[in-house]
Amino acid sequence: GENVEQHPSTLSVQEGDSAVIKCTYSDSASNYFPWYKQELGKGPQLIIDIRSNVGEKKDQRIAVTLNKTAKHFSLHITETQPEDSAVYFCAASTTNFGNEKLTFGTGTRLTIIP
Amino acid sequence: AAGVIQSPRHLIKEKRETATLKCYPIPRHDTVYWYQQGPGQDPQFLISFYEKMQSDKGSIPDRFSAQQFSDYHSELNMSSLELGDSALYFCASRWQETQYFGPGTRLLVL
Repeated sequence: GENVEQHPSTLSVQEGDSAVIKCTYSDSASNYFPWYKQELGKGPQLIIDIRSNVGEKKDQRIAVTLNKTAKHFSLHITETQPEDSAVYFCAASTTNFGNEKLTFGTGTRLTIIP
Repeated sequence: AAGVIQSPRHLIKEKRETATLKCYPIPRHDTVYWYQQGPGQDPQFLISFYEKMQSDKGSIPDRFSAQQFSDYHSELNMSSLELGDSALYFCASRWQETQYFGPGTRLLVL
């Protein structure tokens, strides 16, 4: 089955600086890679996703890059703000019917220092 | 916009008791997923349903069962509860490739 590794497990950055979280996956059949933000006591919230036919996607301060050959993808948050503090999970799945379950990374606790 | 609804939000049970968790997907979403998240851990896939039929199965104990009903809501039934079942249980509904998560049910087994 799929295995997703995520680094770092904790990350502290000064407000206004950039944050980068990296993930690797093992299953070459995976073709969909979402990123979720989870605040304490809440459900994971999708913040951005990327499909395997795209190398990069950007949405305001958030961007994701994907290297299919190396099987890794990264989340970039620029101009960080205190409200960006949360746990971030990367995930991987296929879009093949009956096998679309998400396999999550172990999470990164991001702390923005005012 | 409508979101995934889960009930109850909190549940306290004794060992060996049973629990039923409910999930109401976003309207027109036809696939429901259940995930279990232990303290400080990532969500782990349990089971999924597409058009009321089980579509995939993960690390779900035999003590657990689930189904999806004609109105597309889903229920996760948990029997002979153990201390280790204490966790957050999330339901997600899917539109195209994207899974949208509910707020979760926090289950505490004493």
